[in-house]
Amino acid sequence: DAGVTQSPTHLIKTRGQQVTLRCSPKSGHDTVSWYQQALGQGPQFIFQYYEEEERQRGNFPDRFSGHQFPNYSSELNVNALLLGDSALYLCASSLAITPKETQYFGPGTRLLVL
Amino acid sequence: AQSVTQPDIHITVSEGASLELRCNYSYGATPYLFWYVQSPGQGLQLLLKYFSGDTLVQGIKGFEAEFKRSQSSFNLRKPSVHWSDAAEYFCAVGARYNFNKFYFGSGTKLNVKP
Repeated sequence: DAGVTQSPTHLIKTRGQQVTLRCSPKSGHDTVSWYQQALGQGPQFIFQYYEEEERQRGNFPDRFSGHQFPNYSSELNVNALLLGDSALYLCASSLAITPKETQYFGPGTRLLVL
Repeated sequence: AQSVTQPDIHITVSEGASLELRCNYSYGATPYLFWYVQSPGQGLQLLLKYFSGDTLVQGIKGFEAEFKRSQSSFNLRKPSVHWSDAAEYFCAVGARYNFNKFYFGSGTKLNVKP
């Protein structure tokens, strides 16, 4: 059973560009959450998708947007990249937005903005 | 507002010694509490979780944690550390009304001396 997968593993962009990161949830999971982990920090919640809709959002600007597809996979898009967007982006999946469901995390995509 | 504090940025212990990693949280009610471990290049792996009931929680890899409501703490312990335990450890809190939106601490990096 494949766990959460993310692509690409690493990415280098320049300021002002746009980037798309991809996530495939663990088999059977229908909820995907995205986190940003800056160097030396804990992950920060960006947003969560369930039934192809954004259900929850953290304190991130509108430059951060996402999408969830019918097969539950998800994309994170970041527009007008800033140097401060350099981070490890983690995707987590779970089964339904109900309490006590464990989130499973992918290995992340490391984004470097130059 | 919810928050998680991990007071120790780095901890070094000798192999075979006991370990305690501290975690304090701020939340208006009883939260859901988690400990995750992150090895270099890896995603976050769940060690253990607390929802309710017995305040001493057993996890994987010989870890345990104790929820102390009066101290707003959820410290992680292991009686005998192995070299393979060297990693970064994150404490997280999830709201009972919004379980999948986690708040993470900034992490404690554990080094293990041979």
